[in-house]
Amino acid sequence: AQTVTQSQPEMSVQEAETVTLSCTYDTSESNYYLFWYKQPPSRQMILVIRQEAYKQQNATENRFSVNFQKAAKSFSLKISDSQLGDTAMYFCASGGSNYKLTFGKGTLLTVNP
Amino acid sequence: EADIYQTPRYLVIGTGKKITLECSQTMGHDKMYWYQQDPGMELHLIHYSYGVNSTEKGDLSSESTVSRIRTEHFPLTLESARPSHTSQYLCASRRGTTVNSYNEQFFGPGTRLTVL
Repeated sequence: AQTVTQSQPEMSVQEAETVTLSCTYDTSESNYYLFWYKQPPSRQMILVIRQEAYKQQNATENRFSVNFQKAAKSFSLKISDSQLGDTAMYFCASGGSNYKLTFGKGTLLTVNP
Repeated sequence: EADIYQTPRYLVIGTGKKITLECSQTMGHDKMYWYQQDPGMELHLIHYSYGVNSTEKGDLSSESTVSRIRTEHFPLTLESARPSHTSQYLCASRRGTTVNSYNEQFFGPGTRLTVL
């Protein structure tokens, strides 16, 4: 079984600043994958970034990067140069061999002008 | 954005009505999923399918049913809607894995259901 925990229900950041969202997970699988999804208000859920557990290098996608600490089972998301359009619910998720995703409860991020 | 569609986007109906929420994808994905999500809350998997004529119940018990007669189509049906069914329903799909690859799920825009 997999569990995903996001301990920050809400966060806020000023435009152009950097923010880090936390996520911890637990899994019995040796080969698994981790994701951050973004759900803007009343809009479609989209993938922000993914990380294969067997890769040591942290994934990056433009302003988004992760800090993957496999031994600590930690998978945080860093957003640099925050923009108003980054305001959204962010979900951390893990996936394994059963083709299903386990989601955390989400973190509501508000970017203030 | 991914080519996955859900209709209707919003639905308000009375108790006891039968409803079908439609989900279609044009990407040829074999795996499809239905999630239930209350506003601002986590996603709960209620049904999934790994191919035509294959459906399974998810982690959250649901009174809804699903069918998968065609690869691209994965409708969800409530035979008798109740106020407790009020929620947002998200459909998702993904293709099968390749070696050392886990493909992400693509999500539809969701159907927001209100049962009076």
